[in-house]
Amino acid sequence: GQQVMQIPQYQHVQEGEDFTTYCNSSTTLSNIQWYKQRPGGHPVFLIQLVKSGEVKKQKRLTFQFGEAKKNSSLHITATQTTDVGTYFCSMYSGGGADGLTFGKGTHLIIQP
Amino acid sequence: EADIYQTPRYLVIGTGKKITLECSQTMGHDKMYWYQQDPGMELHLIHYSYGVNSTEKGDLSSESTVSRIRTEHFPLTLESARPSHTSQYLCASSERETQYFGPGTRLLVL
Repeated sequence: GQQVMQIPQYQHVQEGEDFTTYCNSSTTLSNIQWYKQRPGGHPVFLIQLVKSGEVKKQKRLTFQFGEAKKNSSLHITATQTTDVGTYFCSMYSGGGADGLTFGKGTHLIIQP
Repeated sequence: EADIYQTPRYLVIGTGKKITLECSQTMGHDKMYWYQQDPGMELHLIHYSYGVNSTEKGDLSSESTVSRIRTEHFPLTLESARPSHTSQYLCASSERETQYFGPGTRLLVL
């Protein structure tokens, strides 16, 4: 089956520093979704990437989909305390729910 | 926020009790999912459904069962709760690959 690796598992940053999390797949993907889960909360959908090489921005967040559609990144510029949480990628390689795999998540911890 | 609901939000129960966790969505989504998540840990898919009368087991073996008699309703049942079932249970629904999660049920089995 599909193997998904998300790194790093934890990231400590000072407020105002940048943050990046990466997801890599062993297979070519149809699309990828990113989610954010605040402490004590539930995952909330952020964005979906579909096209090879796609780049999307949401304010300070930049999402990229690799040219080979096997990897993706989420970059946050100038982190704020409201960015605290766990960021998950969800990779879809086709074939129904069997083809949908979540990464293990990256915990973002921000020190004021 | 999506229209997906879970009850109860918190449940403390004794070992051996039967429990049902409710999940409902008003978006008309065919696909629904149950995940188990321990605090600060990854999401584990335990059940999913493609639609009415469809149920499948997920990646993580679970002693729970599910049913899908109506599109909007996807309850999860534990026949005999054990302390090892203590966790958060998240329900989600989707039209395609994007999933909308409910607020979760935090279960504590004593």
